[in-house]
Amino acid sequence: ETGVTQSPTHLIKTRGQQVTLRCSSQSGHNTVSWYQQALGQGPQFIFQYYREEENGRGNFPPRFSGLQFPNYSSELNVNALELDDSALYLCATRPPTGDYGYTFGSGTRLTVV
Amino acid sequence: DQQVKQNSPSLSVQEGRISILNCDYTNSMFDYFLWYKKYPAEGPTFLISISSIKDKNEDGRFTVFLNKSAKHLSLHIVPSQPGDSAVYFCAASPGGSQGNLIFGKGTKLSVKP
Repeated sequence: ETGVTQSPTHLIKTRGQQVTLRCSSQSGHNTVSWYQQALGQGPQFIFQYYREEENGRGNFPPRFSGLQFPNYSSELNVNALELDDSALYLCATRPPTGDYGYTFGSGTRLTVV
Repeated sequence: DQQVKQNSPSLSVQEGRISILNCDYTNSMFDYFLWYKKYPAEGPTFLISISSIKDKNEDGRFTVFLNKSAKHLSLHIVPSQPGDSAVYFCAASPGGSQGNLIFGKGTKLSVKP
């Protein structure tokens, strides 16, 4: 299996609801990061997981949480959705080498109404 | 406060000519820099990177230059091709090849035939 797959591609949620976004990556890619890209902005780092443990976090509140599974898949969970959470959410993975070639998925477009 | 700045939202270049995309950063702790290309409805694709111990890195038509004293880097594309038309993001890492990425807002490059 190659590449990074994210699901769903599009999602509409109501303010206050909870959402789970999913990411599956290439075998051996044991580092996964999640980014939020608002319209007209660059991707913003949410958090990173390495071997199923969170090992880095950006300036996002605790209602943004994640999981990484032994099969290299990952989830991003957002509770108590706010209108400003509307964005493209990107998953990025890389293999356990020093090369910095992060592979990004195509993203999930989340709209909060 | 933006730590990575791409001050040109857009750039238009004739096919065959050189495209120069610029990026400035403020954090002197950044020690690894990358350029990504993004087409609509796709995730960012890694183009080229440079470590802070170098001032130039070349890969085919793409060359990245780093001026640490000016906290400035640039991406040169020679010759430019219509297929290069995309949004280009500059990114920096404070943790070498292991750290998270901090992105600029992007520059939309249009290469006209």
